[in-house]
Amino acid sequence: AQSVTQPDIHITVSEGASLELRCNYSYGATPYLFWYVQSPGQGLQLLLKYFSGDTLVQGIKGFEAEFKRSQSSFNLRKPSVHWSDAAEYFCAVRPKAAGNKLTFGGGTRVLVKP
Amino acid sequence: GAVVSQHPSWVICKSGTSVKIECRSLDFQATTMFWYRQFPKQSLMLMATSNEGSKATYEQGVEKDKFLINHASLTLSTLTVTSAHPEDSSFYICSADRQGPSGEQYFGPGTRLTVT
Repeated sequence: AQSVTQPDIHITVSEGASLELRCNYSYGATPYLFWYVQSPGQGLQLLLKYFSGDTLVQGIKGFEAEFKRSQSSFNLRKPSVHWSDAAEYFCAVRPKAAGNKLTFGGGTRVLVKP
Repeated sequence: GAVVSQHPSWVICKSGTSVKIECRSLDFQATTMFWYRQFPKQSLMLMATSNEGSKATYEQGVEKDKFLINHASLTLSTLTVTSAHPEDSSFYICSADRQGPSGEQYFGPGTRLTVT
């Protein structure tokens, strides 16, 4: 079955420390890959996306993600976390040949300690 | 950038009444819009795909007679929750598919519905 998994429900990180959020997908072929961030009571903001080409993708707010085909993963990273990065992060995929529906992972809530 | 708005941002209604939520793409045309539902501390679940000028496509388990979707123009889709019950209380988010190769959806800010 097709699925998107974010293994970590919560992550707590100290301000200034690095952050890595995991995302694994299970699809027959490599889909389009996205990372979104959601602040409490807000909609979703796109951080970055991968369609093809360079497997290291740069996004907004200092985030980057690396696509690894062999591991079916698209992990999100940030070298130095700011208190404003505390939010919910969602990985999402869209199969290339199945219309334009997005499937979301369960989300990872990031807490930032001062 | 592409902007999607939702109205209202929050609404409280009594059980048994109906509530309409609007989703607008402000600076682009969207032949396809999507409606999601999000329970507290959970992920987004796709409810339906709204296509301009045609019937919406509902996901399995979503009652089409309860969640009425209308996509009458290229910039507006509406979701009407009919005969609302407390279990319909949730955060409803729409997104609009901007035509082109980017494959990107633009999300609205969400509508918080509370049914008392």
